[in-house]
Amino acid sequence: GEDVEQSLFLSVREGDSSVINCTYTDSSSTYLYWYKQEPGAGLQLLTYIFSNMDMKQDQRLTVLLNKKDKHLSLRIADTQTGDSAIYFCAESIMGFQKLVFGTGTRLLVSP
Amino acid sequence: EAQVTQNPRYLITVTGKKLTVTCSQNMNHEYMSWYRQDPGLGLRQIYYSMNVEVTDKGDVPEGYKVSRKEKRNFPLILESPSPNQTSLYFCASSRGQGTGGVYGYTFGSGTRLTVV
Repeated sequence: GEDVEQSLFLSVREGDSSVINCTYTDSSSTYLYWYKQEPGAGLQLLTYIFSNMDMKQDQRLTVLLNKKDKHLSLRIADTQTGDSAIYFCAESIMGFQKLVFGTGTRLLVSP
Repeated sequence: EAQVTQNPRYLITVTGKKLTVTCSQNMNHEYMSWYRQDPGLGLRQIYYSMNVEVTDKGDVPEGYKVSRKEKRNFPLILESPSPNQTSLYFCASSRGQGTGGVYGYTFGSGTRLTVV
């Protein structure tokens, strides 16, 4: 069945790079997404990558996609305390009809 | 401001007392969906709707009902809530049909429900 897996927790120091990893199962996924959830708030779309891309860069964010291994990663450069949040990866399945979310990775950035 | 509005934000209720969580979007989105978020389980889809009067079950629909009589509203109904429905609930909408392509979902702020 569909399954998206993430590690539960990551702790980094301010100014370091953070790398959040995700594995997914549906090889037909068209889009893969990263969402950010701040305390007490809903999820916000951070970035996405189309399935025919290997890499996408957007300011401090770099998304890497390895379709062979079904592995997705999000790198945050120069991590700030304001980046502390839960990060969810998600894959679109059944064409565009459904998003399957991972369990979320809680990123803690210490000064 | 483009947004998805859920009400209430917090709700404590007793087992068996029917309740409705409302969801409204002002973006003319066709697709709407309900998720529940539980620790260690991520977000799981309850129901979704591709358009007015078109709804379908997600992964965990048991104990829930939805309706889509108007494009902007997608209420979640718990006819007889039980303690295992204690959770954080999110409504989401997207442009076009489905996951929203490059736009993704727009989420509401969440409803924290406790059933005692």
